[in-house]
Amino acid sequence: DTEVTQTPKHLVMGMTNKKSLKCEQHMGHRAMYWYKQKAKKPPELMFVYSYEKLSINESVPSRFSPECPNSSLLNLHLHALQPEDSALYLCASSQDFGTSVPSYNEQFFGPGTRLTVL
Amino acid sequence: AQKVTQAQTEISVVEKEDVTLDCVYETRDTTYYLFWYKQPPSGELVFLIRRNSFDEQNEISGRYSWNFQKSTSSFNFTITASQVVDSAVYFCALSEAAGGTSYGKLTFGQGTILTVHP
Repeated sequence: DTEVTQTPKHLVMGMTNKKSLKCEQHMGHRAMYWYKQKAKKPPELMFVYSYEKLSINESVPSRFSPECPNSSLLNLHLHALQPEDSALYLCASSQDFGTSVPSYNEQFFGPGTRLTVL
Repeated sequence: AQKVTQAQTEISVVEKEDVTLDCVYETRDTTYYLFWYKQPPSGELVFLIRRNSFDEQNEISGRYSWNFQKSTSSFNFTITASQVVDSAVYFCALSEAAGGTSYGKLTFGQGTILTVHP
C-alpha cells in the first residue's frame, strides 16, 4: 500500500480561524514532509519530520505549526493565516530521510489539501 | 547549491505523438538521486522513477523511458505514443545522498505542462 492520505481535501478559513490539516501513511515510513505549492509552481518544502522529531524547518512563519503525534500521523496547525497562504498543501513520506540507501529517499505524496484563506 | 532546470514550460502534442521532456541539473555532490513526478489536475504528485548517480543505465517502463546522461547532467523523459491521460505537469527533482549540504531535500524544477490533444 503506497498511499498517503490527507484531510480535508478543501478548506476555506478566515484570517482569525484556527484549523488543522491531517496526513496519514501506513507504509511504515519514518520520514514525513509538509510542502506548500502555489499555482503553476513546484512544491516548496516547509517541514521534515524524521523518526517523529522535527529535522527541518525551512524558516516557515510561526502561524504554521507542525506536529507529529506518531510515526504514521502528521498534522499542520494553522492560525492567523494570511490570504497569501492560500495554496495546495502536500504531505509526503519516505522510508527514511537523507540516507545512503537510494530507495529510502523516494517520497510518496498525498493528494493535498487546497486551502483558501479569506 | 543544487539546481534543476526544465526549460520547456509547456508542450502541446497530438495523441500518439512521441514527446520528450528535458531536465538538466547542477550539483557539486558525487552521489545524488534524480526523480520524475507527474502531477495530474487532481493535484497529487505521482512518483514515476528514481535514478542513482552511479547508475547510468537507461530505463524503459511501458510507454515511458528515461535517458540519464551524466556527462551532460541531463535526465530526460520520453513518452512514446502519448495519450490524453498523459496530460499533466511533470516535475524533475534532485536530492543529494547522505552527507551532502542539502541532503535528503528534493530540489524541483519548475515543471513542464504537457497537454495531449485527442
